[in-house]
Amino acid sequence: DSGVTQTPKHLITATGQRVTLRCSPRSGDLSVYWYQQSLDQGLQFLIQYYNGEERAKGNILERFSAQQFPDLHSELNLSSLELGDSALYFCASSANPGRNNEKLFFGSGTQLSVL
Amino acid sequence: AQKITQTQPGMFVQEKEAVTLDCTYDTSDPSYGLFWYKQPSSGEMIFLIYQGSYDQQNATEGRYSLNFQKARKSANLVISASQLGDSAMYFCAMKVQGGKLIFGQGTELSVKP
Repeated sequence: DSGVTQTPKHLITATGQRVTLRCSPRSGDLSVYWYQQSLDQGLQFLIQYYNGEERAKGNILERFSAQQFPDLHSELNLSSLELGDSALYFCASSANPGRNNEKLFFGSGTQLSVL
Repeated sequence: AQKITQTQPGMFVQEKEAVTLDCTYDTSDPSYGLFWYKQPSSGEMIFLIYQGSYDQQNATEGRYSLNFQKARKSANLVISASQLGDSAMYFCAMKVQGGKLIFGQGTELSVKP
């Protein structure tokens, strides 16, 4: 158990809909990362938050948004969903993102299926 | 540009044999970290091993070792005495400025009995 909690584990929805994925980082970790894993794109970094502030942005679509709350949990909002958004979405956390040797702890992921 | 390349989409190894999974990276930063993660069919990402750019010795963690060749910008994972439970996807990753990891495309390892 990595200590990172993601809910829900599975999500099935329709095109055009909006969903929210939730992540609770490991106790004490200030930084949260969101990744998207699909067969064609592999593991793509979406966005990173550190102590409530956006720190880095990757290949995140404008239809997607995220935030980190004062209690450090994070939510990833996906709107106007398309078939191509079907993927496994991971949340990861770390305490000191500036340290090279600090690994990321990953949650078990949310499998999103857009029908 | 910072990039991780894994050129082996799939690999087979006989149980109890050793296997090497290739990884090359590209970065202009003098300080960086390299990681390997395992993703079994259940989907979770499991940390295996870390190598720092300034580390003089190759990292080892149990049956896992990292063959780090800085001049060649390669960080190959060596798994000794393969077990059936080693069958999984393996990802090489590099830590870049700000703390995020960028990943390679992965290598699917199948261990044959």
